[in-house]
Amino acid sequence: QVQLVQSGAEVKKPGSSVKVSCKASGGTFNSYAINWVRQAPGQGLEWMGGIIPIFGPANYAPKFQGRVTITADESTSTAYMELSSLRSEDTAVYYCAMSGSSYYYYYMDVWGEGTTVTVSS
Amino acid sequence: EIVLTQSPGTLSLSPGERATLSCRASQSVPSSYLAWYRQKPGQAPRLLIYGASSRATGVPDRFSGSGFGTDFTLTISRLEPEDFAVYHCQQYGSSPYTFGQGTKLEIK
Repeated sequence: QVQLVQSGAEVKKPGSSVKVSCKASGGTFNSYAINWVRQAPGQGLEWMGGIIPIFGPANYAPKFQGRVTITADESTSTAYMELSSLRSEDTAVYYCAMSGSSYYYYYMDVWGEGTTVTVSS
Repeated sequence: EIVLTQSPGTLSLSPGERATLSCRASQSVPSSYLAWYRQKPGQAPRLLIYGASSRATGVPDRFSGSGFGTDFTLTISRLEPEDFAVYHCQQYGSSPYTFGQGTKLEIK
């Protein structure tokens, strides 16, 4: 069974960028979508975008287009999510999650533990 | 973009009772690509149902999903203590792959 391990908590200043990593172990990485989902305090889940490493270009939610960059390094089975121009509303837990079947953005059946990003001056 | 609306916002029930949660889409969800997740406080979501009605591996049979088109339902036949949590629906039939706002299931 694949496990996803995310990088640690971050505290950032408004206007800066943050880059969160998600390393997969124990299974296939390249043909499964890695999604990025965030959850602001007390709020619901929000899909930001994702990538299927073997296909290359990421797929972004319109809300985050231009501000988020999702990449994947097949050699290390690691996906990355970089969010720029941070503002206080970006304070949230950021999850990576792997889709349950290959070659498409299916349901998400393996989740990372989450990375808390706090944006504060 | 498909907007998912979950109801009720909060559901108060007792252990052993039956829970019925609703997820309504603003337009038809392609191929009934609708999933349900349970999220306990401080934890990542856990997949319960995919394809509107298929249980994920290891999910107890007290959980069942139904529906198609724009109306979907998650039913928990007999509530166990660990079921009191927040439930999210998500559609993965059309990008962006949106979530509902969640239903909190609390102990009455």
